[in-house]
Amino acid sequence: GQQVMQIPQYQHVQEGEDFTTYCNSSTTLSNIQWYKQRPGGHPVFLIQLVKSGEVKKQKRLTFQFGEAKKNSSLHITATQTTDVGTYFCAGRNAGKSTFGDGTTLTVKP
Amino acid sequence: GAVVSQHPSWVICKSGTSVKIECRSLDFQATTMFWYRQFPKQSLMLMATSNEGSKATYEQGVEKDKFLINHASLTLSTLTVTSAHPEDSSFYICSASGGGNNSPLHFGNGTRLTVT
Repeated sequence: GQQVMQIPQYQHVQEGEDFTTYCNSSTTLSNIQWYKQRPGGHPVFLIQLVKSGEVKKQKRLTFQFGEAKKNSSLHITATQTTDVGTYFCAGRNAGKSTFGDGTTLTVKP
Repeated sequence: GAVVSQHPSWVICKSGTSVKIECRSLDFQATTMFWYRQFPKQSLMLMATSNEGSKATYEQGVEKDKFLINHASLTLSTLTVTSAHPEDSSFYICSASGGGNNSPLHFGNGTRLTVT
């Protein structure tokens, strides 16, 4: 079945440093979605990428979708303490979303 | 917009009893709802896909007789954990989609189930 690998599992950065998490799918995806889950909370939708090679930005967050539509990345520039949480990618194909294991980001002030 | 309400947020029950969890889409019609289970510091494990008016599709390894899913309307899906055991203790989360492969998932707040 479809598998989505996400790395790294954990990332600890100093406030102001950049952060990147990567997702790789075993199959070509229809789209990929990114979610953020704060400690004790539920996943919140951040963005969706549909087109091959697509790049989207949300303030300090940059999302990319690979040319082959099998990989994606989320990059945060100049992290802040409010960025802490677990970031999940979800690869969508045939109506089903498969979540990566998530990358938990901690930020030291 | 796109609010999903999940109830209860937490529940404690005795072993052998059944627990029902509700998932409602408040401002949109959810043709498809998904039920997940999440263990501490782990990812979301899809349990089943619930389609309005039809039987749920369960993922491999998920007992359909233990985790009963009903999606009787476009705004409500329920998950009933039957004859609960301590190993069923977990965080259960639902998500709803308005339909289509490009529709984002909107999550409920989750239900923390503890079976004693």
